[in-house]
Amino acid sequence: QVQLVQSGAEAKKPGASVKVSCKASGFIFATFAVAWVRQAPGQGLEWMGCVSTDNRKTNYAHYLQGRVTMSTDTSTRTAYMELRGLRSDDTAIYYCARQWGLNMFDSWGQGTLVTVSS
Amino acid sequence: QSALTQAASVSGSPGQSITISCTGTSSDVGGYDSVSWYQQHPGKAPNLIISDVSNRPSGVSVRFSGSKSGNTASLTISELQAEDEAYYYCSSYTRSTSVVFGGGTKLTVL
Repeated sequence: QVQLVQSGAEAKKPGASVKVSCKASGFIFATFAVAWVRQAPGQGLEWMGCVSTDNRKTNYAHYLQGRVTMSTDTSTRTAYMELRGLRSDDTAIYYCARQWGLNMFDSWGQGTLVTVSS
Repeated sequence: QSALTQAASVSGSPGQSITISCTGTSSDVGGYDSVSWYQQHPGKAPNLIISDVSNRPSGVSVRFSGSKSGNTASLTISELQAEDEAYYYCSSYTRSTSVVFGGGTKLTVL
């Protein structure tokens, strides 16, 4: 079955970087895009962007431009999301999700808690 | 990009039907038939329940249905059950930033 398994929780200081991984199984990795969505404590979902697994084309949310890099490694069926210049308001659960078409996320990772605190 | 507008909370009794609305603009909800709905139980990842306005993925209960009129999309849950108590989020494709989510609606089953 389709499965996305993310890396473990991270604790970072302001200004640092974090890289979260998302390992896929159960489907042909190169035929889908992987999206990243985050959720701050007690808040709603926020789309961060997506990366195409075949041509590695990326599309980032405007509010993250310049701070985020999304990538994939087809040899290991793994997607990555790196966020730089961390701030306290980046504290959130970060989810990866398999993306169909323009706006459909049909399988999700378990989430990775990133805590930013001095 | 502003989030799509959803009521913060809605409630209903077992067996009743409820509708959750998701209001956007002509640049997102009204401009594309690309609205999805997600159910999220506390501490869990979201789960897709409706795609492309009204399509129900395999395995999702027929009690869930979606529709759209103008700039507002709606999710209807019929025959409410205790297990339906959760947060519900809409999302839409948007020309400017690709995807935007609603603020979420907490459904309480009384």
